[in-house]
Amino acid sequence: IAGITQAPTSQILAAGRRMTLRCTQDMRHNAMYWYRQDLGLGLRLIHYSNTAGTTGKGEVPDGYSVSRANTDDFPLTLASAVPSQTSVYFCASSETGYYGYTFGSGTRLTVV
Amino acid sequence: QQQVKQSPQSLIVQKGGIPIINCAYENTAFDYFPWYQQFPGKGPALLIAIRPDVSEKKEGRFTISFNKSAKQFSLHIMDSQPGDSATYFCAARGGADGLTFGKGTHLIIQP
Repeated sequence: IAGITQAPTSQILAAGRRMTLRCTQDMRHNAMYWYRQDLGLGLRLIHYSNTAGTTGKGEVPDGYSVSRANTDDFPLTLASAVPSQTSVYFCASSETGYYGYTFGSGTRLTVV
Repeated sequence: QQQVKQSPQSLIVQKGGIPIINCAYENTAFDYFPWYQQFPGKGPALLIAIRPDVSEKKEGRFTISFNKSAKQFSLHIMDSQPGDSATYFCAARGGADGLTFGKGTHLIIQP
């Protein structure tokens, strides 16, 4: 089934630890995005990539990094997790020139 | 600075009623306005979208009304059903950095 796969589904992480959230799409979409969803704050953009090899910062990039080595994968790394990074993280993708996003099912991350 | 303001935060409507969710924006560079529907434990899914050169768009029971001069757009759900109970997000796009989302509306349709 075409779509976006995120892993893990959920994770409890000790503060200070490093964590990589994985995102893979099989639709050959050029653009990919990472959002975090927090109650009352909606969806906020962390980082984006319009094509393989390029990345950009969104609204809340601090504490996060991304890479885009190929079209299909867009991992999000927390170098040293803090409790304020407790959130649900969604990866999304879209075709160039077509703005409809396909979202993954999310990763629920708890930093303790 | 929030670029897309969504209201209300929550909404309860009787089955068959017409819930209306409103969004307002300030950035005149926005050129695409989608609505997303999210069920608990799932990612958001595209519901319907509109461009600013159109004042209204209908897809099934869902209608977007768009007022370019007022910089406002709204979602109407006709003949609402309990299965429409979900969180709805409006969004807007004006550049290469992706969609800017409203904070969401938690909608409950009572049987």
